[in-house]
Amino acid sequence: AQSVTQLDSHVSVSEGTPVLLRCNYSSSYSPSLFWYVQHPNKGLQLLLKYTSAATLVKGINGFEAEFKKSETSFHLTKPSAHMSDAAEYFCVVSDVPRGSASKIIFGSGTRLSIRP
Amino acid sequence: DGGITQSPKYLFRKEGQNVTLSCEQNLNHDAMYWYRQDPGQGLRLIYYSQIVNDFQKGDIAEGYSVSREKKESFPLTVTSAQKNPTAFYLCASSRAGSNTDTQYFGPGTRLTVL
Repeated sequence: AQSVTQLDSHVSVSEGTPVLLRCNYSSSYSPSLFWYVQHPNKGLQLLLKYTSAATLVKGINGFEAEFKKSETSFHLTKPSAHMSDAAEYFCVVSDVPRGSASKIIFGSGTRLSIRP
Repeated sequence: DGGITQSPKYLFRKEGQNVTLSCEQNLNHDAMYWYRQDPGQGLRLIYYSQIVNDFQKGDIAEGYSVSREKKESFPLTVTSAQKNPTAFYLCASSRAGSNTDTQYFGPGTRLTVL
């Protein structure tokens, strides 16, 4: 069975300090993992994705995530937070071999607040 | 501009009425999806379609219906059978239905049932 757990529903950091948003997953196959960002009343935008290539994935806006199979984690990080990073972040796991119908599961989201 | 459009942005309906949400994409994607988002929750899959004239139920399909008569269009009807339809509805598309494909999302429709 597949599942995804975002360990924090809300994270608050000061501008200029590092950001860490935690995500753990379980999957029966070789999963693809995604991080999406959602600003209020907007659709979701892809930040980055892992699809069995390099385990350290760089995304847009300075975000990156590392796939750690031994820890079943895919945490999202950024060295220095900016006020514009304030948003909701979703970790997503998708598996089922290519050619079959994929199963996509969204985490419950982490709301990131940035303090001036 | 390539992308996904959803209309309307806000929709108000009386209880017991059916309502149809529009989703159009010009990305030439084969797969399209409908999600429901409630406060404090992640997205839940309602229906998805991997090709024209074919669609599959997601995790919460009861009270909803869809059609896929054209590649670029995937309208969602919220029927009176849906017990709690007030929510934010998001449409997405991807190149195919592969688990490695990125999903591209529309701006969403906020449905409020009075």
